[in-house]
Amino acid sequence: AQSVTQPDIHITVSEGASLELRCNYSYGATPYLFWYVQSPGQGLQLLLKYFSGDTLVQGIKGFEAEFKRSQSSFNLRKPSVHWSDAAEYFCAVASSGSARQLTFGSGTQLTVLP
Amino acid sequence: EAGVAQSPRYKIIEKRQSVAFWCNPISGHATLYWYQQILGQGPKLLIQFQNNGVVDDSQLPKDRFSAERLKGVDSTLKIQPAKLEDSAVYLCASSPRQGAPGYTFGSGTRLTVV
Repeated sequence: AQSVTQPDIHITVSEGASLELRCNYSYGATPYLFWYVQSPGQGLQLLLKYFSGDTLVQGIKGFEAEFKRSQSSFNLRKPSVHWSDAAEYFCAVASSGSARQLTFGSGTQLTVLP
Repeated sequence: EAGVAQSPRYKIIEKRQSVAFWCNPISGHATLYWYQQILGQGPKLLIQFQNNGVVDDSQLPKDRFSAERLKGVDSTLKIQPAKLEDSAVYLCASSPRQGAPGYTFGSGTRLTVV
């Protein structure tokens, strides 16, 4: 069965600083990988996804992520964080076969200091 | 297009009471998912529908949880009787077809069992 690990429960950065959120996955085949963001009281919004091809994926809100098969990682990055980026971020992997169910990590809470 | 609609947004009940949540997916989306998100954790799949049929309910606590998707459109998730550990956000998601990864989530229903 697939699994996702987000090693950082909470990260604090200053506004304007760069950001990297870590994600490691366990999956037997080529994974479908996702990053979602969740603001308080809101549902999950898809930031970006990786299916195949270019390992550097661009998403919304200036985020990008890089798939590294050798490290089983899919880290999320942003060069300059804005106060509005404060939220919880979830990495997820989709199962194989036709069901395509998502398995989520436990999330990383991002705090942005002014 | 309209998003995934869920109601109610919040619900507080006493343990052993029953509760129901409603979800209306994006129009034309054949696949519907219910996820449970306990505070501090990532969402976990409860049940997946394809049209009005169940694809996977292996993670649904069937002694107290039930779900249906009559006519293959909107869906209802019920808990009877509720336990304290059922306190969570219940998220509904839909995708255009089975096997299409990266689905759209609703805003969720926050359930508190006291």
